[in-house]
Amino acid sequence: DTEVTQTPKHLVMGMTNKKSLKCEQHMGHRAMYWYKQKAKKPPELMFVYSYEKLSINESVPSRFSPECPNSSLLNLHLHALQPEDSALYLCASSPAGWTGDNEQYFGPGTRLTVT
Amino acid sequence: AQSVTQPDIHITVSEGASLELRCNYSYGATPYLFWYVQSPGQGLQLLLKYFSGDTLVQGIKGFEAEFKRSQSSFNLRKPSVHWSDAAEYFCAVASNFGNEKLTFGTGTRLTIIP
Repeated sequence: DTEVTQTPKHLVMGMTNKKSLKCEQHMGHRAMYWYKQKAKKPPELMFVYSYEKLSINESVPSRFSPECPNSSLLNLHLHALQPEDSALYLCASSPAGWTGDNEQYFGPGTRLTVT
Repeated sequence: AQSVTQPDIHITVSEGASLELRCNYSYGATPYLFWYVQSPGQGLQLLLKYFSGDTLVQGIKGFEAEFKRSQSSFNLRKPSVHWSDAAEYFCAVASNFGNEKLTFGTGTRLTIIP
């Protein structure tokens, strides 16, 4: 199984709502990532978890709160978002550490619209 | 800091013609280099990667890329494109001390005309 799954595929939320994005992989990878991608732009790294610990936070606003409850799951909790947060949110995973084969596998993304 | 430049924002190619997408990187040591493809509204799919060894790497869907250290380049090629190759292509670089930080180029949009 070389798949990263993300739910939901689409999400529309108001600025006062609380919602969560979910990401799951069963490849035994120990690094998981959240990216944000605006239209016609490359993905921008938001967070990295390595061995279930947050290792990189790219100065993301606190209205985005990541969580890694176990080695297969990654959540992104959303609260009080702004319309400019509307984007495609991509999850990825990779073997952590020095393995010589560190490619990232991406999920299909969640298309988020903030109204 | 590592960086990637994709000089071509948009390329149009006739179906059956050859393709070359350019990628230049900036990194102090030997980088890890990747090409990803993204269809509209979809996630990214890895086409190929270079870590070490043979500088000409083969990927999926008939793509290949050549690492040229002297030119800091990692250009993607395909001898004959198909309409299904129309997509956004991203070159990316990671440090050779682990790939926690993957830096993407701005992307090249490929249009195929009949």
